[in-house]
Amino acid sequence: SQQGEEDPQALSIQEGENATMNCSYKTSINNLQWYRQNSGRGLVHLILIRSNEREKHSGRLRVTLDTSKKSSSLLITASRAADTASYFCATALQGAQKLVFGQGTRLTINP
Amino acid sequence: DAGVIQSPRHEVTEMGQEVTLRCKPISGHDYLFWYRQTMMRGLELLIYFNNNVPIDDSGMPEDRFSAKMPNASFSTLKIQPSEPRDSAVYFCASSFVGNTQYFGPGTRLTVL
Repeated sequence: SQQGEEDPQALSIQEGENATMNCSYKTSINNLQWYRQNSGRGLVHLILIRSNEREKHSGRLRVTLDTSKKSSSLLITASRAADTASYFCATALQGAQKLVFGQGTRLTINP
Repeated sequence: DAGVIQSPRHEVTEMGQEVTLRCKPISGHDYLFWYRQTMMRGLELLIYFNNNVPIDDSGMPEDRFSAKMPNASFSTLKIQPSEPRDSAVYFCASSFVGNTQYFGPGTRLTVL
């Protein structure tokens, strides 16, 4: 089964609204990362949060991590049409360099 | 830096043919990863290298798949013989410790 699972699978909101995506995982991690993938393109790294951090900000992005619940959330504030993409969480397991990706959330921002 | 470079961007081939996908990682990166992405299975890690040495190939689906990294600036993923179920987008990514991975644009493979 997937290490990381995103929720919801798809999200459609109006431009200007906030978008929240969630990720749950199963085993202990070293860090958790969020990536964006535009249609037909490769994944782009957005933000990394380490296991000893609880919250991190980058521009309009806010990521939280709750290791006791094995969950993370990605908040995009004041969404724009250009934010339309799929968003993936990826967990870096302790002692490993590889990442395990979830199935992603498809975000659509309607103008 | 040009980022991770993959070639070809698109490949259409017939079942049974050999397919070779190529990747040039970002200069200075010491990890290289090959992924496959399909609608059904999502993004799967096939194999990764550290300093040109394969570390984990547990994701390689079967013996028809092989990957090499002859030097720090080049890697290949080969499928021989190819089958229609191999149709997918194949991504190469590289990183320099710290786990942040930089992805190439992908190769869209169609096996007829």
